[in-house]
This record gives sequence, C-alpha cells and structure tokens, in this order.
Amino acid sequence: EDKVVQSPLSLVVHEGDTVTLNCSYEVTNFRSLLWYKQEKKAPTFLFMLTSSGIEKKSGRLSSILDKKELFSILNITATQTGDSAIYLCAVEASGNEKLTFGTGTRLTIIP
Amino acid sequence: KAGVTQTPRYLIKTRGQQVTLSCSPISGHRSVSWYQQTPGQGLQFLFEYFSETQRNKGNFPGRFSGRQFSNSRSEMNVSTLELGDSALYLCASSLLSSYNEQFFGPGTRLTVL
Repeated sequence: EDKVVQSPLSLVVHEGDTVTLNCSYEVTNFRSLLWYKQEKKAPTFLFMLTSSGIEKKSGRLSSILDKKELFSILNITATQTGDSAIYLCAVEASGNEKLTFGTGTRLTIIP
Repeated sequence: KAGVTQTPRYLIKTRGQQVTLSCSPISGHRSVSWYQQTPGQGLQFLFEYFSETQRNKGNFPGRFSGRQFSNSRSEMNVSTLELGDSALYLCASSLLSSYNEQFFGPGTRLTVL
C-alpha cells in the first residue's frame, strides 16, 4: 500500500526564521510528488516534482525531490505570519493516477 | 472565473441516514476528484470522475459512491452513515487529469451524530 509520511507533525517558529518540512514516501510506480498549502479549507497547489535534484522555486518557497532516497523537502525562508498553515505532501502513482496524501505539517509563525 | 463550489457547506446527520454532497467544477473542467479529510487520517482520495466515468477509486467501502453529470457537476453519496464518516469532504476539479492544475473547493463539513 502506498504510504506518505510527513515530519514534523507541527512546527512553531518566529517570523523571519527558515523552516524545512520533510516528506518521505513509499509508492509503487512513482509518477510525481506534490506540495499543497492548506490555510482554512481548500488546499492550494504549491509545487509538482517529477525529477530528482531539480529545485522548484516560488518566491521564498522552494522544494526538491530525491527519488533515490524517496523523499522531498519544502523550504520556506524569511517566514511570515501568512505562511502559517498546514502543508500537505501527496504522491501520485502511475497506473492508478490517484493521490496519496501525508497527514501534513502544521506550521505556526509567531510574530 | 468562478472557482469550485460545494454545497452544502455544513451538514449534520444522524447515524444510519444517507447524505448527498454536490460539487460544481470550474467552467470547462472535466475532471472532478473527491477527498475525505479527518484529523486522524489526513486527506484521503475517494474517487475521480472524468467525462461522467469513474476513472479511479480509493480504498473506501461501497457506502461511498458518486456520479458525474454531463455538465461535469458531480455528486457524492454516503449511505448508512457512521460516526466515523464525520469529516471535511473536499472536491477538486481540473481541466484534464493533471494534478498540478487541480483546484480545490471550500469543502463540506459533515457531522454525524
């Protein structure tokens, strides 16, 4: 059965700090790994990663995938209170094209 | 362009009842996926519909079913509700079946008493 594990489960940091969120996975026929941000209800898409070692970047957020070690990290630099949210990692497998989600990391930024 | 809408936003039911949730995708989107989110299990995939056909299904019992209409609107039905069905039910739409273009609705919060 496909499995996605995120760590830490929760994280509290001060504004301006840099954080690294982790996502490890076990999936048959890996296709892609996705990161989402969920603030109140609807998750919003952040990144989709398919290739190892290629960093995806959007402003202060960046992410990279390691297909050999089966994990991904999401980095947020110079954190702001608006970054407070649950960050979800999901893995897509080819063949059944369904997403398996991790339970998420709850990030809280203290002003 | 209007986003994904879900109705109702909140619902309270009792055990044994059935419930139908509705999802209207973004105009032009043909794929609708449904997810269940609970504090303990996180976000879990229920099923995906594309052009009125169920293409993928998660590991949920047969009490959970869905359908998609010709206008791409989708409904999800849960019969014989159990306490454990209390959750946030999210739907997401995409133009094709590309998850990086998937947009989520605000969800329906279902409480089973």
